[in-house]
Amino acid sequence: GDSVTQMEGPVTLSEEAFLTINCTYTATGYPSLFWYVQYPGEGLQLLLKATKADDKGSNKGFEATYRKETTSFHLEKGSVQVSDSAVYFCALSDPASGTYKYIFGTGTRLKVLA
Amino acid sequence: DTGVSQDPRHKITKRGQNVTFRCDPISEHNRLYWYRQTLGQGPEFLTYFQNEAQLEKSRLLSDRFSAERPKGSFSTLEIQRTEQGDSAMYLCASSLTGLAANEQFFGPGTRLTVL
Repeated sequence: GDSVTQMEGPVTLSEEAFLTINCTYTATGYPSLFWYVQYPGEGLQLLLKATKADDKGSNKGFEATYRKETTSFHLEKGSVQVSDSAVYFCALSDPASGTYKYIFGTGTRLKVLA
Repeated sequence: DTGVSQDPRHKITKRGQNVTFRCDPISEHNRLYWYRQTLGQGPEFLTYFQNEAQLEKSRLLSDRFSAERPKGSFSTLEIQRTEQGDSAMYLCASSLTGLAANEQFFGPGTRLTVL
């Protein structure tokens, strides 16, 4: 079945450091890909998405490119801030499922130090 | 605020008791999903409604779980005879159909603690 694999955390960085969180997927069909962020005590918020190969999703300085050839959707940010500390989830939605249900990775906790 | 709302936000119960959670989706969204998130894990799909029809249930949804969406508006998730393993965050999400079906909007979740 469909699955999402994320790099394990926690990831600890200094402020202004470069961030990469790896995400790879397996899917039966041609999925849409998402990054969600969960701040402490809050719900899931959509960070960015991409619906087809080579699409680049971007938001708040974060970027991720849909790479079909490597089945990857790695999250990057050039200069992280303390306020970026949160848990990041990679997810896919496969139209082949008929329901568009999400399959999530296990999440990667990011801690940014001042 | 016209986002997805869930009630209650927190529920503490004793093992063996029944609990019911409510989700109010975004008003024009006809798709509704329930997920469960345990500590340190990503959310896992439980069940899906399109309008009032429950079209898919995960094998995670044991016989003690039941979900409804009368009239295709709000939804309820009931857990009977709760067990300590049911302790988790229960998330509701909604979406449109068609090309916009891919993007789901999540509620704040209901955190269940079973003592």
